[in-house]
Amino acid sequence: QVQLQQWGAGLLKPSETLSLTCGVFGGSLSGYYWIWIRQPPGKGLEWIGEIDHSGSSSYNPSLESRVTISGDTSKNQFALRLSSVIAADTAVYYCANIRNNAFDIWGQGTMVTVSP
Amino acid sequence: QSALTQPASVSGSPGQSITISCSGTSSDVGGYNLVSWYQHHPGKAPKLIIFWGSKRPSGVSNRFSGSQSGNTASLTISGLRAEDEADYHCCSYAGGSSYVFGTGTKVTVL
Repeated sequence: QVQLQQWGAGLLKPSETLSLTCGVFGGSLSGYYWIWIRQPPGKGLEWIGEIDHSGSSSYNPSLESRVTISGDTSKNQFALRLSSVIAADTAVYYCANIRNNAFDIWGQGTMVTVSP
Repeated sequence: QSALTQPASVSGSPGQSITISCSGTSSDVGGYNLVSWYQHHPGKAPKLIIFWGSKRPSGVSNRFSGSQSGNTASLTISGLRAEDEADYHCCSYAGGSSYVFGTGTKVTVL
């Protein structure tokens, strides 16, 4: 059974870069699609972007100028970087895999707070 | 990319059925039969309960069912139970390897 475990800094100052990593355990990064999703406090879920098995990524247009999603098959993990963070980037961030155009395995979530 | 529209809250008594709507456009919900639904208890990761509009993953109760008509998808929970109290989110594929989520619905079991 594939499990995802994510880690990264939970407290950032404005203008810093958010960096989160999601490890794939019990399965392979290759051959699947992977996604990052976030939920700001009191709001709904938001699609950040995805990376496919070839390493090609696509991003939410509202974040595209600041976001990078990358994969490392040697470490069986993928990562999210969001530059120049602001208070509005405060959210719980989740990694997940994509199967049948749905997200069926999720990481545990990481609360990221942006505060001066 | 605008969020799909869901009612903010829906409530029902144990044993009743409730339906949550998810309204989009022809560029997302109506353009593809690729709506998924997630149950989200506070402090936990969301759980997939419906994909492809009406398919249930293995292990998901048949009390959850999904449907779609035009630009609107729906999730019905029948035989409502206390443990169904959670937030529910819809999501649709929107083309070009992009997805859009709904605004989320809080389900309360009275």
